[in-house]
Amino acid sequence: DIQMTQSPSSVSASVGDRVTITCRASQGISTWLAWYQQKPGKAPELLIYAASSLQSGVPSRFSGSGSGTDFTLTITSLQPEDFATYYCQQANSFPFTFGPGTKLDIK
Amino acid sequence: QVQLVESGGGVVQPGGSLRLSCAASGFTFSNSGMHWVRQTPGKGLEWVAAIWFDGSKKYYADSVRGRFTISRDNSKNTVFLQMDSLRAEDTGLYSCARDFCSGGSCYYFDFWGRGTLVTVSS
Repeated sequence: DIQMTQSPSSVSASVGDRVTITCRASQGISTWLAWYQQKPGKAPELLIYAASSLQSGVPSRFSGSGSGTDFTLTITSLQPEDFATYYCQQANSFPFTFGPGTKLDIK
Repeated sequence: QVQLVESGGGVVQPGGSLRLSCAASGFTFSNSGMHWVRQTPGKGLEWVAAIWFDGSKKYYADSVRGRFTISRDNSKNTVFLQMDSLRAEDTGLYSCARDFCSGGSCYYFDFWGRGTLVTVSS
């Protein structure tokens, strides 16, 4: 199975800040990667797919990059509604696997 | 709008069975692959199973293969997860999710239900 890791596990930031979250796959997955946002008590929401494609309806302050084993999610100009937990997921091969999550909270 | 509503969770003893259902609406169900994903405090998000739009192909996580069975009824817009030989480690929130494809890139989850809680305990 492909193992996914994320760093940092948690980050504190302020409204207006720029934040970058990193995801690493245990083997190359080309650009078969998604990012999700999850708020407490809610289902995850798809933000980015194919490593860098913005899902419809997602604000443009979210962006993704990377290929192979290393990926990043960047949020520019943090808004209050962005404080949540973020997960990466590889879609390269079964079984699909998720990273452990990065909790973004308010400084 | 797209809605996925799970049901069928509950408390069951180790070795017992449960059948989860996920009722879909707001999209052409028979055109979409579907997944089950579970979430636990200890293991986070874990993909469980997937089924092709027509039910012709099914895939499972190693941890559930041989014990869980995914199926669907396109006439009822419903996907199921039959869970047998349940173990304590199967405890978690089980959500169904729609498969999302774009430009040949698939196996993302664009809509999720809110989940149904399964607790395996004696």
